[in-house]
Amino acid sequence: EVQLVQSGAEVKKPGESLKISCKGSGYSFTNYWIGWVRQMPGKGLEWMGIIYPGDSDTRYSPSFQGQVTISADKSISTAYLQWSSLKASDTAMYYCARRAAAAHFEYWGQGTLVTVSS
Amino acid sequence: QSVLTQSPSASGTPGQRVTISCSGSSSNIGANAVNWYQHLPGTAPKLLIYSNNQRPSGVPDRFSGSKSGTSASLAISGLQSEDEADYYCAAWDDSLNAVFGGGTKLTVL
Repeated sequence: EVQLVQSGAEVKKPGESLKISCKGSGYSFTNYWIGWVRQMPGKGLEWMGIIYPGDSDTRYSPSFQGQVTISADKSISTAYLQWSSLKASDTAMYYCARRAAAAHFEYWGQGTLVTVSS
Repeated sequence: QSVLTQSPSASGTPGQRVTISCSGSSSNIGANAVNWYQHLPGTAPKLLIYSNNQRPSGVPDRFSGSKSGTSASLAISGLQSEDEADYYCAAWDDSLNAVFGGGTKLTVL
């Protein structure tokens, strides 16, 4: 069974760094792109970027380029989303999702709620 | 402002047929397949339709999708109370960027 399990909720202060994770299981982790999607409170879904764990090829949405870092450790089948200096506006639910060969996101993680508040 | 345009809300009564539309451009919907996701608050989004009109296993045939030019639509027939959710269209653009619609909140009256 394909599963994407994300790390737990985080509460951080502005300026702090953060790395959240998404662990894949039940499939060959290196063979599928993993994407990250943001949902701010009361807002819609926004695509942030995507990584191919097999060779770490990474693409970013222009809206998130330079704001976050997406990485993966294929040895432990885990993808990451990282901030170096959080802002209050980063408060959101973050989802990881596996991209199928036909380019849709077929499997989703349960989401990680990130709250940034002083 | 989302790249794909959806009406913010839609509604219908049980048993009715409802259509949700999604408008894009030649660089996204016009060039690539459209996918639809159902999102219930507090849960992960669920793939509803992929490749314009394909249903994953387990999705009832009450849900159907279509695409024409730079627009797409999701139809839900035999509306049920459990269909009350947010619905998002999505596509890829020419630069391997995924773009989502702003979402349509479906209310079952």
